[in-house]
Amino acid sequence: GAGVSQSPSNKVTEKGKDVELRCDPISGHTALYWYRQSLGQGLEFLIYFQGNSAPDKSGLPSDRFSAERTGGSVSTLTIQRTQQEDSAVYLCASSLSLMNTEAFFGQGTRLTVV
Amino acid sequence: AQKITQTQPGMFVQEKEAVTLDCTYDTSDPSYGLFWYKQPSSGEMIFLIYQGSYDQQNATEGRYSLNFQKARKSANLVISASQLGDSAMYFCAMRGMNTGFQKLVFGTGTRLLVSP
Repeated sequence: GAGVSQSPSNKVTEKGKDVELRCDPISGHTALYWYRQSLGQGLEFLIYFQGNSAPDKSGLPSDRFSAERTGGSVSTLTIQRTQQEDSAVYLCASSLSLMNTEAFFGQGTRLTVV
Repeated sequence: AQKITQTQPGMFVQEKEAVTLDCTYDTSDPSYGLFWYKQPSSGEMIFLIYQGSYDQQNATEGRYSLNFQKARKSANLVISASQLGDSAMYFCAMRGMNTGFQKLVFGTGTRLLVSP
């Protein structure tokens, strides 16, 4: 596609439910990144993919968070048993490669846990 | 560890004037990159400009320039001839060799408001 696409754009969920956030990167981009932006804060790095591989998962806030990428394209960030502190905007970005200076971001998914 | 500090929570500027958004950083990496992103109310992060730590000249992209002072560890963004559409949040970010070039560390941002 023309840009990084994220869905849904907004998600309201009840505490304790699982949610899946989707990211469709720019075609041909091998690197994909997930960030979280809490209200009034900068971006917090969560995880990156090079192809389908995520070599470093240490940025994920807890073991309730997981992410996968299939076919070197679409990625899904899953949050199990959501908590209110998970409420944030989840941003996905992609770049041609890990060493590229420019990463293109999607518009994010605003997650609200009630 | 890397850290980005943006001390200006908000800035105001009149249309057509220049504005400087401050950014200081802390890193022990010998090689690193500095970025500025713009985040309008729509939410997406828009890449503006990049400066490598070994670049001899300050980066420029149209109306954006990065005032890179390596000894002072500062990477201020200068926007010349401000436009109403420049009103947005602006984030300074960096990544370094030791912490992995795949990870961007962001500051808390500066909200810029351009008035007519």
